[in-house]
Amino acid sequence: DAGVTQSPTHLIKTRGQQVTLRCSPKSGHDTVSWYQQALGQGPQFIFQYYEEEERQRGNFPDRFSGHQFPNYSSELNVNALLLGDSALYLCASSLRVTSVEQFFGPGTRLTVL
Amino acid sequence: GENVEQHPSTLSVQEGDSAVIKCTYSDSASNYFPWYKQELGKGPQLIIDIRSNVGEKKDQRIAVTLNKTAKHFSLHITETQPEDSAVYFCAASIRGSQGNLIFGKGTKLSVKP
Repeated sequence: DAGVTQSPTHLIKTRGQQVTLRCSPKSGHDTVSWYQQALGQGPQFIFQYYEEEERQRGNFPDRFSGHQFPNYSSELNVNALLLGDSALYLCASSLRVTSVEQFFGPGTRLTVL
Repeated sequence: GENVEQHPSTLSVQEGDSAVIKCTYSDSASNYFPWYKQELGKGPQLIIDIRSNVGEKKDQRIAVTLNKTAKHFSLHITETQPEDSAVYFCAASIRGSQGNLIFGKGTKLSVKP
């Protein structure tokens, strides 16, 4: 049973560039949530996708956008990168209707220079 | 909005001792409280969770207690082992998998052999 997978593992970008991160949910899950984890901090909620629509959004600017595909996988896009966007980006999957647990992937470490 | 406070930020115990991590939350509407273990370079791993209609839950050496009146919940690890060393995060959610998780800042647990 494959867990949550994310790609790439690491990424280095420069200020002003754009980045796309990818997530495949745990088998059988239909909901994907994205979190940003700064060094030494707890994860912070960015947004959640279900049925290919953004259902909830945290306190993040419009530079952060996402997409969910019919196979439930998801992308996180960040435009006009800032130094402060350097963080571990985590994807969590869940089964929206019948369970409450969210399971996390290993994350993508983004470094903005 | 919801705010989760977690204490202590670091905890060092001898192998075989017990460890207790405490969290408080602010929103009385929160009804789901998971605990995650994060090892270096990995994503958070769900280790135990509790819902607001339950006061205590146990899984082998790990237990979680919830006091809804005081808005406190705690993680108890008994007979600690070196492999328990990691960062532990508490979280709270108003709508379980349909809602975002609000995390504490984490507790770095070190178990000395």
